[in-house]
Amino acid sequence: DAGVIQSPRHEVTEMGQEVTLRCKPISGHNSLFWYRQTMMRGLELLIYFNNNVPIDDSGMPEDRFSAKMPNASFSTLKIQPSEPRDSAVYFCASSPWREGSYEQYFGPGTRLTVT
Amino acid sequence: AQSVTQPDIHITVSEGASLELRCNYSYGATPYLFWYVQSPGQGLQLLLKYFSGDTLVQGIKGFEAEFKRSQSSFNLRKPSVHWSDAAEYFCAVGDSGGSNYKLTFGKGTLLTVNP
Repeated sequence: DAGVIQSPRHEVTEMGQEVTLRCKPISGHNSLFWYRQTMMRGLELLIYFNNNVPIDDSGMPEDRFSAKMPNASFSTLKIQPSEPRDSAVYFCASSPWREGSYEQYFGPGTRLTVT
Repeated sequence: AQSVTQPDIHITVSEGASLELRCNYSYGATPYLFWYVQSPGQGLQLLLKYFSGDTLVQGIKGFEAEFKRSQSSFNLRKPSVHWSDAAEYFCAVGDSGGSNYKLTFGKGTLLTVNP
């Protein structure tokens, strides 16, 4: 299995630009999670989906952030407009979430720098 | 709400020495517990998990952890540390109720291994 795939691995953009991060979960997993990691705040859950439906977006910092999961094999996290304080590593994780198997598998992350 | 505390921000051990990383959780019922490891520039990798049954669980890379309900702890141990174990370690707790797919992560413990 290829694992969770994220693209791009690195993104450098200017303040005010739109940024789109992409994630392909592990085939057969029915839950998908977006996290943000910074030195100051650690690992924060932004939003998660179950069977492509957003379940909890309470961690999304503000309306500039949006996430979609149009099908079971693809999700996006969009920031529009981006700000310097959005600079962080963004992780996508997927989980089979079935009896006896609730662990999450993480992708390699996207390092976002907003100048 | 569930929470996780990792009391040690940074630990330094010598190669070959034993290791114990502490994790305390707060949760009303029997939790799902996890340890993840993050090497520099990488995503989080699952080391081991506890759902039920034997309270001493074995993981990858020679790690083990023991669930102690009376102490609300799930400490990670390794009898002999290798230089390649230098990384950041995260403890996480999940909702065993089955309706909440979230994991709550601790702030992490950074492990440095001296030669």
